[in-house]
Amino acid sequence: EDKVVQSPLSLVVHEGDTVTLNCSYEVTNFRSLLWYKQEKKAPTFLFMLTSSGIEKKSGRLSSILDKKELFSILNITATQTGDSAIYLCAVCNNAGNMLTFGGGTRLMVKP
Amino acid sequence: DAGVIQSPRHEVTEMGQEVTLRCKPISGHNSLFWYRQTMMRGLELLIYFNNNVPIDDSGMPEDRFSAKMPNASFSTLKIQPSEPRDSAVYFCASTIRGSSYEQYFGPGTRLTVT
Repeated sequence: EDKVVQSPLSLVVHEGDTVTLNCSYEVTNFRSLLWYKQEKKAPTFLFMLTSSGIEKKSGRLSSILDKKELFSILNITATQTGDSAIYLCAVCNNAGNMLTFGGGTRLMVKP
Repeated sequence: DAGVIQSPRHEVTEMGQEVTLRCKPISGHNSLFWYRQTMMRGLELLIYFNNNVPIDDSGMPEDRFSAKMPNASFSTLKIQPSEPRDSAVYFCASTIRGSSYEQYFGPGTRLTVT
């Protein structure tokens, strides 16, 4: 059974801080790892990672995958209050396009 | 595109009643997923369809839950009879099978069973 574990469970920081969110996984026949941001409603897609060591970047957010150690990190620099959300990590295996989600990291950014 | 559409957005019902949740995937997407999200268990996959055919329903909690996809643009998730422990937010998501596997989520249906 595929498994995804995220840490920390929750995090409180102040605006301007840099945060690192962690995602470790166990999956049979890994295909990809995805990061989602969930604010009040539905998860919205951030990144998809398939290859080790290649950083994906979007503005202040970046993510990288280590397929040898089976983990990924999501970095957010110069955090803003609008970054407050639950960040979800999910893995997809080659058996299909099902996603297995981690429990999420709840980030709160204080002014 | 309007994105994934779900209805109703909120549903409050009494224990024992039948509940039907509806989903319209993004046009052209041929894979559809039903998820349930609770504080205790996070986001769980219930069932998914490829080309309207159910592929994996191992996440469906019990026989009270059933899902159908009669055509490419419509799916339902039914709970009969409903129980208080079914209270959760139910999300529908769609994607193009064989593509990047990025799933697009609907706004969810918040179900409360009293």
